[in-house]
Amino acid sequence: GDSVTQMEGPVTLSEEAFLTINCTYTATGYPSLFWYVQYPGEGLQLLLKATKADDKGSNKGFEATYRKETTSFHLEKGSVQVSDSAVYFCALSDRARDDKIIFGKGTRLHILP
Amino acid sequence: EPEVTQTPSHQVTQMGQEVILRCVPISNHLYFYWYRQILGQKVEFLVSFYNNEISEKSEIFDDQFSVERPDGSNFTLKIRSTKLEDSAMYFCASSPDYSNQPQHFGDGTRLSIL
Repeated sequence: GDSVTQMEGPVTLSEEAFLTINCTYTATGYPSLFWYVQYPGEGLQLLLKATKADDKGSNKGFEATYRKETTSFHLEKGSVQVSDSAVYFCALSDRARDDKIIFGKGTRLHILP
Repeated sequence: EPEVTQTPSHQVTQMGQEVILRCVPISNHLYFYWYRQILGQKVEFLVSFYNNEISEKSEIFDDQFSVERPDGSNFTLKIRSTKLEDSAMYFCASSPDYSNQPQHFGDGTRLSIL
């Protein structure tokens, strides 16, 4: 079945560092891809999405590009802030087939001041 | 911005007891979902609900689980006889239509079974 694999955490960076969180997926169809973020004590918030190959999703300085050839959707940010500390979930959904979102295990990000 | 709201934020229940988790989806949304996240594990799909019936459910969603939309605003998840392994964070989500619109999640209810 479809699945999402993302890099293990925790990831610890200094403020203003460059961030990459790797995500790859396995899917039989043409899924939409998402990054969700969970700040401490809060629920899951959609950070960005891409619905087809070569789409780039972006929000709050974060970007991810839907790469069909490498089945990847890596999350990047050029300069992280302490407030970016959270757990980041890569996810996919193929609503042509079913209703559910399939999540990766999540990557905890710590940003040091 | 409209939000999905869940109550309570934390529920503690004795094993074997029934528990009802409550959700108020975003008002113009038509599709409703429950997910759970056991501590340290993936967020897992439980069930989706549309037009007053279950549209899909996972293997986790056995006979102990049920969902209901008792009125025009609430969406509930009931666990009939809780087990220790039901301890998890339960997330409700909703989406406006069946397309590429993303699901919007609530803050979750942490369920602790003693």
